[in-house]
Amino acid sequence: DVQLLESGGGLVQPGGSLRLSCAASGFTFSSYAMSWVRQAPGKGLEWVSIISDSGGSTYYADSVKGRFSISRDDSKNMLYLQLNSLRADDTAVYHCAKGNAVAPTAFDYWGQGTLVTVSS
Amino acid sequence: QSVLTQPPSVSGTPGQRVTISCSGSSSNIGSNAVNWYQHLPGTAPKLLIYRNNQRPSGVPDRFSGSKSGTSASLAISGLQSEDEADYYCAAWDDSVNGVVFGGGTKLTVL
Repeated sequence: DVQLLESGGGLVQPGGSLRLSCAASGFTFSSYAMSWVRQAPGKGLEWVSIISDSGGSTYYADSVKGRFSISRDDSKNMLYLQLNSLRADDTAVYHCAKGNAVAPTAFDYWGQGTLVTVSS
Repeated sequence: QSVLTQPPSVSGTPGQRVTISCSGSSSNIGSNAVNWYQHLPGTAPKLLIYRNNQRPSGVPDRFSGSKSGTSASLAISGLQSEDEADYYCAAWDDSVNGVVFGGGTKLTVL
């Protein structure tokens, strides 16, 4: 079974940094694009970033561009999201999601998410 | 303000058919495939429809998707109480080089 397990969330002050991790299992991790999607309290889903299966291409939402960085370690089946210069409006549950084999921007498996709270 | 526009809420009675609309533009729905997700708060979202009208294995055929021009729709037939959830459309947007989501539609089964 495909499993995605996020970790690394927590309480951080504005301007601080955090690194989120996503442990993947049950599929050939290196063959799939991976994404991060977040949901702020009381709000809808917001796509954050995507990394290609090779890791050679990355894209970001305008709201996080220049502050967040996505990466992957295929040897460990791990996906990461480095969050820098955090702001209050970055407070959200962050989900990692696996791209569909034929449609990489369709997310066919999701983790339960990890909560990031940015507050002083 | 979401790039893709969905109605905030829809409702129906058990057994009924409901549709959820998703309106976009030439840079997203007009030129790329639409995907639909079901989300119950506190759980992981679930992919319902990908590439406009394809169902992943395990998704009942009560769920169907369609696209025309810069708009898309999700139809749910034979409505069941467990269908009560939030539904989101999404598509790649060429103007921002990223995935854009609709604001979500809350489905209530009366």
